[in-house]
Amino acid sequence: DQQVKQNSPSLSVQEGRISILNCDYTNSMFDYFLWYKKYPAEGPTFLISISSIKDKNEDGRFTVFLNKSAKHLSLHIVPSQPGDSAVYFCAASERGGYKLSFGAGTTVTVRA
Amino acid sequence: DTAVSQTPKYLVTQMGNDKSIKCEQNLGHDTMYWYKQDSKKFLKIMFSYNNKELIINETVPNRFSPKSPDKAHLNLHINSLELGDSAVYFCASSHAGGGGEQYFGPGTRLTVT
Repeated sequence: DQQVKQNSPSLSVQEGRISILNCDYTNSMFDYFLWYKKYPAEGPTFLISISSIKDKNEDGRFTVFLNKSAKHLSLHIVPSQPGDSAVYFCAASERGGYKLSFGAGTTVTVRA
Repeated sequence: DTAVSQTPKYLVTQMGNDKSIKCEQNLGHDTMYWYKQDSKKFLKIMFSYNNKELIINETVPNRFSPKSPDKAHLNLHINSLELGDSAVYFCASSHAGGGGEQYFGPGTRLTVT
């Protein structure tokens, strides 16, 4: 039973434009949310996170928004760059929990 | 300097064999993990060790046995390999206490023929 869902398997965006990736979750005990970026033949790399006490967190070109009532989070990348082409995974954990539950990933392709 | 390393990167073996994958982290973390990424690309946790103590064991067949000789190492031994074990296995580590970022190794692609 997938508790974290990324319903868009792929996203194509033009360089310089905004990329918006979406993630939904079903477990109301999730308290901490993360985005990972993965290039082929490499391990996932931590990108940005947000705690449930916040609704927004920014780090440079990356912003994560959390809507707890809707059990939804999104990742905005502005502006998108060719190096952003990768698979992006949404993940979540319960308070103090060691287990990360991952979504299936969204493949982002940034077109020049 | 690699933070989380795994060996080997690729492993091709026949059904019924026993194999091991090694993982080492130099981040000073107390907690280490094994994840499996299957053909559908889902990343699922298998095991977690905190200070050499098993804290997560996610309904994994007992043919899989993790071993943590010290905080910096977590190895995965697989007995009697089956076709369905073919996957990419990722090691990860994090600070103790849970609820934080986990840092992943490059993965080991296991192919069972």
